[in-house]
Amino acid sequence: KAGVTQTPRYLIKTRGQQVTLSCSPISGHRSVSWYQQTPGQGLQFLFEYFSETQRNKGNFPGRFSGRQFSNSRSEMNVSTLELGDSALYLCASSLAGGTLETQYFGPGTRLLVL
Amino acid sequence: EDQVTQSPEALRLQEGESSSLNCSYTVSGLRGLFWYRQDPGKGPEFLFTLYSAGEEKEKERLKATLTKKESFLHITAPKPEDSATYLCAVFLTGNQFYFGTGTSLTVIP
Repeated sequence: KAGVTQTPRYLIKTRGQQVTLSCSPISGHRSVSWYQQTPGQGLQFLFEYFSETQRNKGNFPGRFSGRQFSNSRSEMNVSTLELGDSALYLCASSLAGGTLETQYFGPGTRLLVL
Repeated sequence: EDQVTQSPEALRLQEGESSSLNCSYTVSGLRGLFWYRQDPGKGPEFLFTLYSAGEEKEKERLKATLTKKESFLHITAPKPEDSATYLCAVFLTGNQFYFGTGTSLTVIP
């Protein structure tokens, strides 16, 4: 069974630009969560999508947004990039989320903002 | 405020030298605690879920335990391939995950 895939794996942008990251969950998984990982803050929860609806949201500004498609694939968008947005962005999928199910993580997209 | 703290930040062990990693938490509404392993350049890999105080789980050289305030990940006779960053995370009512910043473990042959 294929794991969680994320594209692109690496990205370099400049301040003020916007970026879209993509996540394809494990087949059959309907919940996708996004996390930001930085050396100082560790892993921080961004949001979770289930059946094309945002179900939970972390404490990030509105510049961070996402969506989920009918095939459960998810995209995350960051507008007006700031230097502090440089991080590893991880997505994780689970069957239904919102429970104590195991989340399976993708390899992440490393974003560098110059 | 919900908080998860892992210690130590970094740990170097000789191969075969057993030790423990700590994850302490001050949260309300704990529904479960997770341990993950993360290798460089990869996403976290699930190890264990603990649901209630007193629970223990084992997998190969790893054993996770949970009390009302903290969790321990015991590593018995570690090998170099156990080198990784170990993350704990708490899952709370309201369906929120909070991760600790991890312990970077290096096992020297």
